Amino acid sequence: EPEVTQTPSHQVTQMGQEVILRCVPISNHLYFYWYRQILGQKVEFLVSFYNNEISEKSEIFDDQFSVERPDGSNFTLKIRSTKLEDSAMYFCASKNRGQVLHFGDGTRLSIL
Amino acid sequence: QQQVKQSPQSLIVQKGGISIINCAYENTAFDYFPWYQQFPGKGPALLIAIRPDVSEKKEGRFTISFNKSAKQFSLHIMDSQPGDSATYFCAASMNTGFQKLVFGTGTRLLVSP
Repeated sequence: EPEVTQTPSHQVTQMGQEVILRCVPISNHLYFYWYRQILGQKVEFLVSFYNNEISEKSEIFDDQFSVERPDGSNFTLKIRSTKLEDSAMYFCASKNRGQVLHFGDGTRLSIL
Repeated sequence: QQQVKQSPQSLIVQKGGISIINCAYENTAFDYFPWYQQFPGKGPALLIAIRPDVSEKKEGRFTISFNKSAKQFSLHIMDSQPGDSATYFCAASMNTGFQKLVFGTGTRLLVSP
């Protein structure tokens, strides 16, 4: 069964550094998302991406965040200057025109 | 109004018992209500979903009950098994192409052998 893959599984970064989280969505999917989950808390929407542009973003997704689909397969989330409170699990998700959203297994981001 | 409230926070059920998790929402524009199952170290995986035009949906041991007037929906796991031990999230979204999911706070289910 096709799946969403995310790399790395764990990223440790110094505060203030830039980090890029990578995702390969399911190949025929058209809608792409990033969600995050702070330890022990609920999963929160960050951003949705369709037709090579952001379709919606949350209040969490401020100027420090950006997304990109640099080629036909990868979908990245960049945090320009990381803060301690950015420590979380980041999940990439994708879907086709139906409503079943498929999640990857996440990248655990630890900010020191 | 975008919140989805979920209870209980944790649940212990004996093998063979019924697990019940409840969610409530405020936004009447929500029209898609999925339940996700998450195992440690894994991403959420869709378990079962319902639209508000039906009051119940059953898939195997998993049933969603939906009460539109009360704006509540619940997940019932019949004949609970130790392999069902996981965190369960309810969610809701509006019927747009982008389907921004609003998640509940999660229920950690432990099914004892």
